[in-house]
Amino acid sequence: NAGVMQNPRHLVRRRGQEARLRCSPMKGHSHVYWYRQLPEEGLKFMVYLQKENIIDESGMPKERFSAEFPKEGPSILRIQQVVRGDSAAYFCASSPVRQDNEKLFFGSGTQLSVL
Amino acid sequence: AQTVTQSQPEMSVQEAETVTLSCTYDTSESDYYLFWYKQPPSRQMILVIRQEAYKQQNATENRFSVNFQKAAKSFSLKISDSQLGDAAMYFCAYRSASGTASKLTFGTGTRLQVTL
Repeated sequence: NAGVMQNPRHLVRRRGQEARLRCSPMKGHSHVYWYRQLPEEGLKFMVYLQKENIIDESGMPKERFSAEFPKEGPSILRIQQVVRGDSAAYFCASSPVRQDNEKLFFGSGTQLSVL
Repeated sequence: AQTVTQSQPEMSVQEAETVTLSCTYDTSESDYYLFWYKQPPSRQMILVIRQEAYKQQNATENRFSVNFQKAAKSFSLKISDSQLGDAAMYFCAYRSASGTASKLTFGTGTRLQVTL
């Protein structure tokens, strides 16, 4: 049973380009969370999704950022017109049920570097 | 809003010794969960230990144990018989137990070095 898979592991973009980060949750998991980690900081919550629904996007910047978790396929975190401040590690986590953080599994993250 | 504070950016421990990592938090809620996560160089976040606020007994997982002081809002992690593989970033995290709040709030982390 593969863990939470994130790709790419490293992503380099120039300012103004789009970044697409993918997250495939563990098999049987229908809840996905995205977190962002800036250098020397802890993870900060961005968005929580279930299949085809955004449940909580209170941590997501209002502009340029969007997330989806379609019925089929991975969850996508999309950042349009990237700026240098978007450089960070982006982590995805998944769980089978909403309230069971004990079974929350994290991926290894995508390191986004904006030149 | 809840906050989590880790006041030790770096700690060092000799192999086989014991080390304690500090964490304090601020909340007005009475029911919540606290966690310690380990982040090795591979970057993957690994759950070390979990504590429910309504439980008075401190959680333990093999060489890892916590000292949970609810009144003081303190949640420290003790690692006994430290091993080289324990070297990593350690993050303390909080989660509300209320119905819709599933997100974790993390501290800024403590980098643990283990020396021979």
